[in-house]
Amino acid sequence: TQLLEQSPQFLSIQEGENLTVYCNSSSVFSSLQWYRQEPGEGPVLLVTVVTGGEVKKLKRLTFQFGDARKDSSLHITAAQPGDTGLYLCAGWGNKLVFGAGTILRVKS
Amino acid sequence: DAGVIQSPRHEVTEMGQEVTLRCKPISGHDYLFWYRQTMMRGLELLIYFNNNVPIDDSGMPEDRFSAKMPNASFSTLKIQPSEPRDSAVYFCASSFQGLNQPQHFGDGTRLSIL
Repeated sequence: TQLLEQSPQFLSIQEGENLTVYCNSSSVFSSLQWYRQEPGEGPVLLVTVVTGGEVKKLKRLTFQFGDARKDSSLHITAAQPGDTGLYLCAGWGNKLVFGAGTILRVKS
Repeated sequence: DAGVIQSPRHEVTEMGQEVTLRCKPISGHDYLFWYRQTMMRGLELLIYFNNNVPIDDSGMPEDRFSAKMPNASFSTLKIQPSEPRDSAVYFCASSFQGLNQPQHFGDGTRLSIL
């Protein structure tokens, strides 16, 4: 069974701080996606990474796919209260699996 | 453009009752997914369809769960009989041309079985 482990499970930081969320597996994934979910809503796709070693930037968010396509990270620079939410990684191997998520709270 | 539409938003019913959740995917999308989200298990893929045909239902927990997609614009997830452990938020998502493509999620149905 392919599993994605996310860490940390919960992160509470002050506005302006930097943070990194990790998504790790022992399995290889053909692609990996990051989603953000707010209370009462469905997840919204942030990015898809496909190539090992790939780095994608989305304003203050930087996503990296590991060289072996088994892990990924999400780095947020100068976090803002609007970044608060549940961050989920999802990978396609022989089926789609989601990590348990990282709850991020950014305090102003 | 309208996103994925799910109904109802909330459902509270007694155990043993039949529950039907509904989903209207984004027009033109050829993949439809049903998920269940709980605190304990996170987001789980239950079943997905391609061009209205069920492709992988290995995530469906038991025979009490069934899903149909009679046409490209409508799908249902049915639980009969329902049990308290089925309480969760159920999401429907759709995507276009490929499993690796972005999935667009509805706002979910919060189901409580008493």
